[in-house]
Amino acid sequence: EAGVAQSPRYKIIEKRQSVAFWCNPISGHATLYWYQQILGQGPKLLIQFQNNGVVDDSQLPKDRFSAERLKGVDSTLKIQPAKLEDSAVYLCASSQLLGEQFFGPGTRLTVL
Amino acid sequence: GIQVEQSPPDLILQEGANSTLRCNFSDSVNNLQWFHQNPWGQLINLFYIPSGTKQNGRLSATTVATERYSLLYISSSQTTDSGVYFCAGNAGNNRKLIWGLGTSLAVNP
Repeated sequence: EAGVAQSPRYKIIEKRQSVAFWCNPISGHATLYWYQQILGQGPKLLIQFQNNGVVDDSQLPKDRFSAERLKGVDSTLKIQPAKLEDSAVYLCASSQLLGEQFFGPGTRLTVL
Repeated sequence: GIQVEQSPPDLILQEGANSTLRCNFSDSVNNLQWFHQNPWGQLINLFYIPSGTKQNGRLSATTVATERYSLLYISSSQTTDSGVYFCAGNAGNNRKLIWGLGTSLAVNP
């Protein structure tokens, strides 16, 4: 069974530029999550989808971050414009409804 | 909200040693998971263990839900066990995982 796929694996941009990350969850997983992980901390949930609907986006900085999951399968997370403090690893995870979450390899973002 | 406390925060072992990592939670949690984050940042699922005991090779885990804690046992540690170990769980019908701060493990050859 294929795991959660993410791309790109690494991205370096300058502040005020835009960036987008892509995630393809495990087949059949209805719930998809985007997390931000700052070095030395645990992951922080940014947004959670069930199918193509948003369940929780309470910690998403909506002035600069956006995410979509149009067909209830893959998802994109966008940052526009990026700030220095957005440097982090962005992790995508998926699960069957309330079950065990599985994580992708992450995208390491550096904002200069 | 629910707090998840992990101990110890840091651990250094010699290869071959055994260790126990602990995860305490302030209230009842569901869907408790243990993860290993390797030095490349990948979060690897170790156990999905809402209650009871599971074993996978040199690793085993026990969750005592009524006493609000979970333990991760590592036996005969290897250098590849190095990294950060996280526990996380969610409460009630909320699917959001609440994470501990992790235990940073270094296994020296």
